[in-house]
Amino acid sequence: DTEVTQTPKHLVMGMTNKKSLKCEQHMGHRAMYWYKQKAKKPPELMFVYSYEKLSINESVPSRFSPECPNSSLLNLHLHALQPEDSALYLCASSSDRTYEQYFGPGTRLTVT
Amino acid sequence: QQPVQSPQAVILREGEDAVINCSSSKALYSVHWYRQKHGEAPVFLMILLKGGEQKGHEKISASFNEKKQQSSLYLTASQLSYSGTYFCGTEYNYGQNFVFGPGTRLSVLP
Repeated sequence: DTEVTQTPKHLVMGMTNKKSLKCEQHMGHRAMYWYKQKAKKPPELMFVYSYEKLSINESVPSRFSPECPNSSLLNLHLHALQPEDSALYLCASSSDRTYEQYFGPGTRLTVT
Repeated sequence: QQPVQSPQAVILREGEDAVINCSSSKALYSVHWYRQKHGEAPVFLMILLKGGEQKGHEKISASFNEKKQQSSLYLTASQLSYSGTYFCGTEYNYGQNFVFGPGTRLSVLP
């Protein structure tokens, strides 16, 4: 099974809402990533969990809060987002850092 | 620091070859190549670690020139399914600051 799943596929939220994005993999991978991708741009790394510990936080605003409850699950908690945060949010996993990354289909987020 | 990709876009006829370059001003530890089709997630193609190793399978291969800090992706006898945006991703040290390049949009026409 080489699949990374993400829910929901689409999310529309107001600037005062609190929501969460979910990512799951069952490949036994120990590194999981959150990326943000705007149209016609490359994915931008937001967070990396390695062995369930946050190892990189690319100066992402605190309105984004990652969580890794176990080695298969990755959440991204959203609160008080801005319209410019509207984007495709991609989750990826790899067996370890530097190894190939498998991406989920993404969550299309719209902030109104 | 984002790597530089060239060209920005390329249009091919089926069966033609293409080369996409990815370069960095800093010494690289690894270079990844991914392809993303419109509306889909990026898909891994190959990874190269410092050491100048060339990798590939069938009609897609890549090389990594440590002296130039440049990687090249070679697409041979292109197929319609090769269309998409190709991104290189780079690391300067193990597990540090993985950064995608701006992408190269490849269109293969019949």
